[in-house]
Amino acid sequence: GAGVSQSPSNKVTEKGKDVELRCDPISGHTALYWYRQRLGQGLEFLIYFQGNSAPDKSGLPSDRFSAERTGESVSTLTIQRTQQEDSAVYLCASSLALVQSYNEQFFGPGTRLTVL
Amino acid sequence: SQQGEEDPQALSIQEGENATMNCSYKTSINNLQWYRQNSGRGLVHLILIRSNEREKHSGRLRVTLDTSKKSSSLLITASRAADTASYFCATGRGYQKVTFGIGTKLQVIP
Repeated sequence: GAGVSQSPSNKVTEKGKDVELRCDPISGHTALYWYRQRLGQGLEFLIYFQGNSAPDKSGLPSDRFSAERTGESVSTLTIQRTQQEDSAVYLCASSLALVQSYNEQFFGPGTRLTVL
Repeated sequence: SQQGEEDPQALSIQEGENATMNCSYKTSINNLQWYRQNSGRGLVHLILIRSNEREKHSGRLRVTLDTSKKSSSLLITASRAADTASYFCATGRGYQKVTFGIGTKLQVIP
């Protein structure tokens, strides 16, 4: 497809289980972002990839959260030992990355994670 | 804390009226963007204004930027019910990192 896709669209899990969230960015977009949005709140930056490298991991809330990107394409956000406070919509975005410039971010539809 | 803060947090207007939302930020920026979000899902980019620009138009949207006051406003003219959404400002600084505000929830009543 032409846009950013994310899977699954919804995920319900039990507290303590691990979850993997996937993002497929727009082809050719070298920058990829993960955000978290709790109900009724704004976007919370989690991590950003330039190619396969993550120069900024400052937003990851704890060491239970990790992310990787391969082939300058698909990215996976992993949450280990999920807690109820992890319940949120996780949004992925991609953009063309030009040094010292900023480009529009294209967002995926998000994954709604519910931790019971 | 969030770099951008929108106000008001919620706004309700009649269809046909104009809607104005404001965004304030704390540190220097390269650019500022406005996004729209429907139904708590993906965001859609509306408009980008660079730090050396003061005003920009796109259709029924008008964005202003005052870097001396570290603020921006988004004006939607002749609002429609379909404009009902949350609107976020995002500030860009340096290499790609952007920070989103908490958003303004706009309701346009038919």
